[in-house]
Amino acid sequence: DTAVSQTPKYLVTQMGNDKSIKCEQNLGHDTMYWYKQDSKKFLKIMFSYNNKELIINETVPNRFSPKSPDKAHLNLHINSLELGDSAVYFCASSQTGLSSGNTIYFGEGSWLTVV
Amino acid sequence: QKEVEQNSGPLSVPEGAIASLNCTYSDRGSQSFFWYRQYSGKSPELIMFIYSNGDKEDGRFTAQLNKASQYVSLLIRDSQPSDSATYLCALKRGSSASKIIFGSGTRLSIRP
Repeated sequence: DTAVSQTPKYLVTQMGNDKSIKCEQNLGHDTMYWYKQDSKKFLKIMFSYNNKELIINETVPNRFSPKSPDKAHLNLHINSLELGDSAVYFCASSQTGLSSGNTIYFGEGSWLTVV
Repeated sequence: QKEVEQNSGPLSVPEGAIASLNCTYSDRGSQSFFWYRQYSGKSPELIMFIYSNGDKEDGRFTAQLNKASQYVSLLIRDSQPSDSATYLCALKRGSSASKIIFGSGTRLSIRP
């Protein structure tokens, strides 16, 4: 009964490849996020969708393209992978944009290694 | 200046003692503050949130907020080895903001 699930959990791929990470939440939340955590544990937001609409798009290379087919799903596609893309990518969700103390729930993370 | 600053540690505390984790932030418009715990190889999980000045207690955890000093802290009483983890301070800017901004975390080690 995982609340926020992402696949794959581990991904090793060569430079230049294109890969996707999928995320699904069964919490009924209307907002979903992609965060990137680098080797220094710094957790940085990349994108956020509210009811399938992109509401946050941080300074992220165009090679990263999120897609939200419905409010329970948010996928991340990465083109032309580079060594620097190696990181842990966390999907997360919350209800109505974090009003007051609404919490953000994270998936288990997808460990991406580009070789 | 980073928006959320934390000492990376490691902070080593003997079992049973109080662990004190600190965080400062730069944007005075920040309204809600969160503490997340992240075990190695796992995802962050929320411990507490606070948005009013003062203290907020939940079990062994106490969050403290001082907006004038732009300072938020987390106290862990009766520290246990299972508290050993990285603690991430985070904030939400504004009442309608839709994202949480994280600090880089403090690694806490509880020694038996």
